[in-house]
Amino acid sequence: DAGVTQSPTHLIKTRGQHVTLRCSPISGHKSVSWYQQVLGQGPQFIFQYYEKEERGRGNFPDRFSARQFPNYSSELNVNALLLGDSALYLCASSETGPYGYTFGSGTRLTVV
Amino acid sequence: LAKTTQPISMDSYEGQEVNITCSHNNIATNDYITWYQQFPSQGPRFIIQGYKTKVTNEVASLFIPADRKSSTLSLPRVSLSDTAVYYCLVGYDDKIIFGKGTRLHILP
Repeated sequence: DAGVTQSPTHLIKTRGQHVTLRCSPISGHKSVSWYQQVLGQGPQFIFQYYEKEERGRGNFPDRFSARQFPNYSSELNVNALLLGDSALYLCASSETGPYGYTFGSGTRLTVV
Repeated sequence: LAKTTQPISMDSYEGQEVNITCSHNNIATNDYITWYQQFPSQGPRFIIQGYKTKVTNEVASLFIPADRKSSTLSLPRVSLSDTAVYYCLVGYDDKIIFGKGTRLHILP
């Protein structure tokens, strides 16, 4: 079985641009969460989606948005990129309940 | 959401047993305790999860006292490849919040 897949793996963008990151959860997992991890820090929660509905939002500006599709895949969008948005963006999927999350390998975003 | 506190870093030697303790004083009744391992430039990897008492799997054991205000991850006979950051998280079917984790460095 495929794990959580994220695309692209690496990305370089210029300040002010927009970026879309994609995530495909494990088959059967209906919950998808997004995290931002800056070098040397723990992952910071951005969004959680379940059955296409937003269930949680972290302390991130409105430039960050996400959505979940009927097949449970998800996109994270970031507008007006800043240098500080450079990070590893992680997607995680899970079944409902306390079953733990399975993380993808992440998308490394560099903003120049 | 319950906040967790872990040691920032630990060193140990190959072949030793390593115990990492996490405190979570305001854990809720429904909360489970989950530990993740993360290598550089990779996503966190699920290690073990428990609710109370002791849980053991092929890679680790998790000890949870009766009051559930702390938990201890035990890694038996560590190797150099166990050098990583270990995160303790508390929650249930909700956004999971990562702390700073424990940087475990295994020495030869």
